[in-house]
Amino acid sequence: AQRVTQPEKLLSVFKGAPVELKCNYSYSGSPELFWYVQYSRQRLQLLLRHISRESIKGFTADLNKGETSFHLKKPFAQEEDSAMYYCALANQAGTALIFGKGTTLSVSS
Amino acid sequence: EAEVAQSPRYKITEKSQAVAFWCDPISGHATLYWYRQILGQGPELLVQFQDESVVDDSQLPKDRFSAERLKGVDSTLKIQPAELGDSAMYLCASSRFSARGTEAFFGQGTRLTVV
Repeated sequence: AQRVTQPEKLLSVFKGAPVELKCNYSYSGSPELFWYVQYSRQRLQLLLRHISRESIKGFTADLNKGETSFHLKKPFAQEEDSAMYYCALANQAGTALIFGKGTTLSVSS
Repeated sequence: EAEVAQSPRYKITEKSQAVAFWCDPISGHATLYWYRQILGQGPELLVQFQDESVVDDSQLPKDRFSAERLKGVDSTLKIQPAELGDSAMYLCASSRFSARGTEAFFGQGTRLTVV
């Protein structure tokens, strides 16, 4: 079965603290994984995808096939990082995405 | 900057009534998706179009839901009759290519409340 699990509904950290948003997946074959973000009153948008191996807004995510994980990390959280974060997996059939339930990140000063 | 347009933004309807949502994808995007997002959950795919053809509608409740993209551009999602459990955010998204790994661009969504 294809599935994405985000175990934390809410993650609260202080500004400047490290952040790790957890994502685990279930997939047969080579997965295509993404992190999407939704800021308050904005539309859902792509943050990063694992094939690009890029850092966006200081966030990185490494695919760990052994642990079937794709955790999102940032060394120093900023207040503007407060948002809902969704981990997503491209489904076997094509380009449609299977989303996790999302994690709300709250960064306070 | 081009965006996916959806209307209406909000819709309140009584159960057993018909309701329709409209989506205009980014120009040139051949792939269009409709997702449903129930409160507290992630979006779930309802239907995927490649141009005017349905690629995947395996999760679409076909007894009451229908979707069309007649000219391969804009799309309409219809529910008839609406049920209380259909209350959710309906998201439209589009992508330029159908290759895996392609970014999907999302609309603002239509929030449906069935009373």
